[in-house]
Amino acid sequence: NAGVTQTPKFQVLKTGQSMTLQCAQDMNHNSMYWYRQDPGMGLRLIYYSASEGTTDKGEVPNGYNVSRLNKREFSLRLESAAPSQTSVYFCASSPGRGSSDTQYFGPGTRLTVL
Amino acid sequence: QQQVKQSPQSLIVQKGGISIINCAYENTAFDYFPWYQQFPGKGPALLIAIRPDVSEKKEGRFTISFNKSAKQFSLHIMDSQPGDSATYFCAAASTSGTYKYIFGTGTRLKVLA
Repeated sequence: NAGVTQTPKFQVLKTGQSMTLQCAQDMNHNSMYWYRQDPGMGLRLIYYSASEGTTDKGEVPNGYNVSRLNKREFSLRLESAAPSQTSVYFCASSPGRGSSDTQYFGPGTRLTVL
Repeated sequence: QQQVKQSPQSLIVQKGGISIINCAYENTAFDYFPWYQQFPGKGPALLIAIRPDVSEKKEGRFTISFNKSAKQFSLHIMDSQPGDSATYFCAAASTSGTYKYIFGTGTRLKVLA
């Protein structure tokens, strides 16, 4: 039982390049989330998926797209990376449909955009 | 109105001392308040959580105090240990809302041996 896994762990991109961050959970959770963490700004929600087949914008969705591929997998895509997207990205999942569910976080992806 | 304000930004405590981190919110629709602990290089993990129907919740050395009228809640770490050195995030959510946590900006705690 690996919990929430994220790949890659580290990535360096040049401005304008694209990439996809992968996330998978093996806990049979319904809801999944993508956050970014920046110094002094806490965790900010980018996109979330309340259940398989649905996605919705969070606090900072600009420059990102997501795909809920199936119940296990939720990917985050940067179509044209910008230096402002340098951050640590966390994927999380929670069991049910309520926002009071405990969110379980992955280990993070550290992204640098030059 | 969606913000959760957390203080202090950083905190240094002697081993055995009490660590106190405070959070304040504005949205009265929030009714679930978790605290997450994050060690360097790791993802955050749930530490303890409270709902506003109680004023205090204790789990081991960790206690949440909740003041509904002031819209404030705090984390107390009793007998702080060097292993407690981590970043702590408070959060708030509405159970009738859309599955979203609003996180505070985090407090970096260092417990000196």
